[in-house]
Amino acid sequence: GAGVSQSPSNKVTEKGKDVELRCDPISGHTALYWYRQSLGQGLEFLIYFQGNSAPDKSGLPSDRFSAERTGGSVSTLTIQRTQQEDSAVYLCASALSGGPNNEQFFGPGTRLTVL
Amino acid sequence: GQSLEQPSEVTAVEGAIVQINCTYQTSGFYGLSWYQQHDGGAPTFLSYNALDGLEETGRFSSFLSRSDSYGYLLLQELQMKDSASYFCAVMDSNYQLIWGAGTKLIIKP
Repeated sequence: GAGVSQSPSNKVTEKGKDVELRCDPISGHTALYWYRQSLGQGLEFLIYFQGNSAPDKSGLPSDRFSAERTGGSVSTLTIQRTQQEDSAVYLCASALSGGPNNEQFFGPGTRLTVL
Repeated sequence: GQSLEQPSEVTAVEGAIVQINCTYQTSGFYGLSWYQQHDGGAPTFLSYNALDGLEETGRFSSFLSRSDSYGYLLLQELQMKDSASYFCAVMDSNYQLIWGAGTKLIIKP
């Protein structure tokens, strides 16, 4: 596709429910990143995929968060038993590779609101 | 811990020059990046410095001093459309991008 896409764009859920967020990276990009951004704050790194594998899962805030990537393309971020503090914009980015000088291209984000 | 420090807000006048500073403390360093984010939008890449010195791209320039763990973004001939938040980010030894909290640039006519 022309850019990184994410769905849904907005998600309102009740505390305790599970949610699944989807990211479609730019075709051919092997690196994929998930971030979380609270209002007026910087980006908090969550997880990074190189191909289908995630070399570093240390950014995931708790064991309620998990992510997978299949076929070296689409990725899903799942949050189980959502809490109000999970409310934020979840951003996905992709890059040609995971190297340090590769520009990350961001999707529009999913705004998650946990009531 | 890892941290990046940048001013929370900077105000400037249209047509002027503004400098946004960033100091960092990270485990490992591969380079300093700058991203722009308009309200409600996604971050977009502006520049990347791996080596010391000044990189110029049109009206925007970015500087890095690795010995001082310091860099800055310089914006010249400010336009109203430059009103946005600007983030510095460092790629650490685990290829993670560690982000600053962002600098909100307010431009007055």
